[in-house]
Amino acid sequence: QKEVEQNSGPLSVPEGAIASLNCTYSDRVSQSFFWYRQYSGKSPELIMSIYSNGDKEDGRFTAQLNKASQYVSLLIRDSQPSDSATYLCAVNLGEYGNKLVFGAGTILRVKS
Amino acid sequence: DVKVTQSSRYLVKRTGEKVFLECVQDMDHENMFWYRQDPGLGLRLIYFSYDVKMKEKGDIPEGYSVSREKKERFSLILESASTNQTSMYLCASSSSGAFTYNEQFFGPGTRLTVL
Repeated sequence: QKEVEQNSGPLSVPEGAIASLNCTYSDRVSQSFFWYRQYSGKSPELIMSIYSNGDKEDGRFTAQLNKASQYVSLLIRDSQPSDSATYLCAVNLGEYGNKLVFGAGTILRVKS
Repeated sequence: DVKVTQSSRYLVKRTGEKVFLECVQDMDHENMFWYRQDPGLGLRLIYFSYDVKMKEKGDIPEGYSVSREKKERFSLILESASTNQTSMYLCASSSSGAFTYNEQFFGPGTRLTVL
């Protein structure tokens, strides 16, 4: 089992819909969780961080964390074509100190 | 805002050449990382550093070395470039300070082609 798993997609949603991206991880002592957005040919950009169980909202983005289920998700409301990108989930697994472990990413396509 | 810069966006080298990739961050971060990213393989950690003159191997260190002589600068060296090192190389940095959570900030990347 991989340490951080994401569905590779592509996930296709119509413009204006809610996009739901999911990530599971294998370590029970993880402290911090991140979502990065990566456009084709560009570097990853940090868009959300979450450290406590529950929801964290920032504009159209909501991150959800459930440590008991080892599950973190990203919701994008009112999806726009400009949201089309690869979304990487990253987890600070406790045993690895300051390193992050990245999932392989989910491709999101928002169709107008 | 955190700024991480890399010396080149695109680089073309010949097999056997020694290649230097430079990364500089301006936020006084303790930690710096070098990754490579290939289609279907995701981000793979090559080397990282927690402090000046410190380095630790990541998941795929073979064929690479690093240097960190100053806190803000972390260099990746390909001792003898090979075609299988053609890739996108990404540098990142993060803070170890109090109230930080190890979020990493990436530079723009260097797309290296080895012919």
